[in-house]
Amino acid sequence: NAGVTQTPKFRVLKTGQSMTLLCAQDMNHEYMYWYRQDPGMGLRLIHYSVGEGTTAKGEVPDGYNVSRLKKQNFLLGLESAAPSQTSVYFCASSYGQGTSPLHFGNGTRLTVT
Amino acid sequence: AQKVTQAQTEISVVEKEDVTLDCVYETRDTTYYLFWYKQPPSGELVFLIRRNSFDEQNEISGRYSWNFQKSTSSFNFTITASQVVDSAVYFCALSEGHQAGTALIFGKGTTLSVSS
Repeated sequence: NAGVTQTPKFRVLKTGQSMTLLCAQDMNHEYMYWYRQDPGMGLRLIHYSVGEGTTAKGEVPDGYNVSRLKKQNFLLGLESAAPSQTSVYFCASSYGQGTSPLHFGNGTRLTVT
Repeated sequence: AQKVTQAQTEISVVEKEDVTLDCVYETRDTTYYLFWYKQPPSGELVFLIRRNSFDEQNEISGRYSWNFQKSTSSFNFTITASQVVDSAVYFCALSEGHQAGTALIFGKGTTLSVSS
């Protein structure tokens, strides 16, 4: 099993450009999450989903949108990238809400110039 | 609101030393879950342990041990006889698991450097 797969692994954007990060999990997990990791800030929750067709805002949702059209996929979109969105983005999934360990992807390193 | 504080930003030890990573949490709920994750230099996040709020038993797994004390809202992590391979960023996390749609909130992490 691949677990949680994130694409792409690296990306460089110019300010104002848009992009979508794709997260796919093959564990039939209901819950999926997007976090960003910045130096000295730990991991901060951007958006999450408790099931297909649902999304909810996390701690730092501004500037991002998400969609969960299929249970196995969770997309994170940046409509107009800003340098403040330079970060490492991690997708995760879990079996239970808040009670189960998260399974993380390997991260996407995004640089916005 | 829930909060996780890892006051130690960086710790440096020499191999074979014991080291304790501190984690203090805040929550108003009586039901919650605490986690520790490891992020080695390669960047992936590795789950280490989960503890629920009703289980205050300490846990030992090889050289790793965890001390959960509700009285002080702490969930500390000790590595005995540290090794170079223990060098990583360690995150403590909290979830108020009984609420619908909750997710893990992470501390800012402690960077552990173990030198030979």
